[in-house]
Amino acid sequence: DAKTTQPPSMDCAEGRAANLPCNHSTISGNEYVYWYRQIHSQGPQYIIHGLKNNETNEMASLIITEDRKSSTLILPHATLRDTAVYYCIVRTTLGSSNTGKLIFGQGTTLQVKP
Amino acid sequence: NAGVTQTPKFQVLKTGQSMTLQCAQDMNHEYMSWYRQDPGMGLRLIHYSVGAGITDQGEVPNGYNVSRSTTEDFPLRLLSAAPSQTSVYFCASSRLTSGSSYEQYFGPGTRLTVT
Repeated sequence: DAKTTQPPSMDCAEGRAANLPCNHSTISGNEYVYWYRQIHSQGPQYIIHGLKNNETNEMASLIITEDRKSSTLILPHATLRDTAVYYCIVRTTLGSSNTGKLIFGQGTTLQVKP
Repeated sequence: NAGVTQTPKFQVLKTGQSMTLQCAQDMNHEYMSWYRQDPGMGLRLIHYSVGAGITDQGEVPNGYNVSRSTTEDFPLRLLSAAPSQTSVYFCASSRLTSGSSYEQYFGPGTRLTVT
């Protein structure tokens, strides 16, 4: 699976949009981009995933560039409860030898400030 | 649904002791996995399973054994605990759906200290 690069930390003001970038320049055509977050001491929580189209759900939006080499997770109105480590992960679909595996990097620590 | 449950929540072991970390899910998920997370680090995959009777190694399998006799349960065994295995252990599960991707559900974690 492709390697991802994320900034180690970011700050965001409460109520503002949080934009978390992720570079995945070696991504392959069959690899999805996943975002998870981990609030202090808890198990990671799935946020969103996408292949090439932009995606939106009740938690966040995912913007993937046309060349798919980078993506941005957007939390539209960040709250204090969104303070967490956010992980961007690239993985293949079923049928590959890496089926099911999620390889976590260091992630981005997002601090939402009042 | 209880989701993914892990027991115990906390455990202290002496070097050389063995123990089993329990993980269960009630969502009929085919895929289950174990991760460890050391302080200030990301999660590292220990072992995973794509169905009952099928297991495989992840990034850091040494010192751990797994088995998958049922869909619901995926226990992790520490054979001879070492201080280097002091960590937080997370279990996760998900569906395996042909042709699409899926999300993983994580348990609350087991905090293990080996002295």
